[in-house]
Amino acid sequence: EPEVTQTPSHQVTQMGQEVILRCVPISNHLYFYWYRQILGQKVEFLVSFYNNEISEKSEIFDDQFSVERPDGSNFTLKIRSTKLEDSAMYFCASSLSDTQYFGPGTRLTVL
Amino acid sequence: QKEVEQDPGPLSVPEGAIVSLNCTYSNSAFQYFMWYRQYSRKGPELLMYTYSSGNKEDGRFTAQVDKSSKYISLFIRDSQPSDSATYLCAMSVGSGGGADGLTFGKGTHLIIQP
Repeated sequence: EPEVTQTPSHQVTQMGQEVILRCVPISNHLYFYWYRQILGQKVEFLVSFYNNEISEKSEIFDDQFSVERPDGSNFTLKIRSTKLEDSAMYFCASSLSDTQYFGPGTRLTVL
Repeated sequence: QKEVEQDPGPLSVPEGAIVSLNCTYSNSAFQYFMWYRQYSRKGPELLMYTYSSGNKEDGRFTAQVDKSSKYISLFIRDSQPSDSATYLCAMSVGSGGGADGLTFGKGTHLIIQP
């Protein structure tokens, strides 16, 4: 069964550094998403992406975040200058039409 | 007022019991409703998807939506220890698979005692 994959599973970085989180969505899906989940809190929507551009973004998705689909298979989330409060699980999801399928997540730890 | 409210639990029940999990919401624009299951340190796994008021059944799982009361439920029959997980309700204005992001509840931690 096709699934969304994410790398790395755990990323540790120093405050102020840039990180890139990578996702491979399900191959025939058209919509791509990033969510985050701070420990003990809700899963929160960050951004959706369709046809090589951002479709919708939340107020969390500020100028330090960017997304890209650099080729036909990968979907990336870049955080330009990480802050301590960016420590969270980041989930990628993809959808063909009506339901979103999530990857296993990347745990980001900012020191 | 929070958009989606869900009792975090933990909810502990004996094996074989019927489990009832619930969410309330305040935004009447939500039209699509989902239940996800999340094991510790894993991604959410889709269980049920529905967009109309009423019941939808899939094996041991039944999703119920009452749009007039802004209330959704997930029932699990013949609960098993393997059902122990966190159950997240999620909802969206659009179809759930388009541009709209999902709005999640905080999740209910369910424990099924053998």
